[in-house]
Amino acid sequence: AQKITQTQPGMFVQEKEAVTLDCTYDTSDQSYGLFWYKQPSSGEMIFLIYQGSYDEQNATEGRYSLNFQKARKSANLVISASQLGDSAMYFCAMREGPGGTSYGKLTFGQGTILTVHP
Amino acid sequence: GAVVSQHPSWVICKSGTSVKIECRSLDFQATTMFWYRQFPKQSLMLMATSNEGSKATYEQGVEKDKFLINHASLTLSTLTVTSAHPEDSSFYICSAALNYGYTFGSGTRLTVV
Repeated sequence: AQKITQTQPGMFVQEKEAVTLDCTYDTSDQSYGLFWYKQPSSGEMIFLIYQGSYDEQNATEGRYSLNFQKARKSANLVISASQLGDSAMYFCAMREGPGGTSYGKLTFGQGTILTVHP
Repeated sequence: GAVVSQHPSWVICKSGTSVKIECRSLDFQATTMFWYRQFPKQSLMLMATSNEGSKATYEQGVEKDKFLINHASLTLSTLTVTSAHPEDSSFYICSAALNYGYTFGSGTRLTVV
């Protein structure tokens, strides 16, 4: 069974508008971490935002926020005020088990290609 | 911040030859390194997990004898694609586990001709 699901292969947004990228996950662990990464055409993986399963507040990092709905097992990424440079592939990923020294592997979703139009 | 230097960034090799990809942690000790493979416009698929000083753990379906992983020191992990074939052409990327997350190498684009 797919552990991380991103159902939007591609998304388009107008510059300066907000966009939501969907991510749902499946785990039986109580402790886990959810990550979002941006991958431009160069291939580098750029960390955007992190949400721990026990975090009560939704994570925010500048223009990025994570809409964490634990009961629905969703962790959607919201990008506000889109910029042309936001055009890239975006991945949702999950680490099962606690962080710190457990060094659990990351499982990635299928990715969403975001295109920002001027 | 923690940096993983991955080399080469791209390589073209002839079918049947071997290619070695290196990932070095520059300012920290990488106890655990993950190796991923990515086809164009697809997800990152975990190939194996390597821990310093021990044998790598390969994911199901990954050929251990074809993709040799060595993690002999806390600052260097290598992936060797042996007897490469055109179907091995892909983007390979390493990632080191940190206490607070993960840091990725810049990736290696392998083309086998």
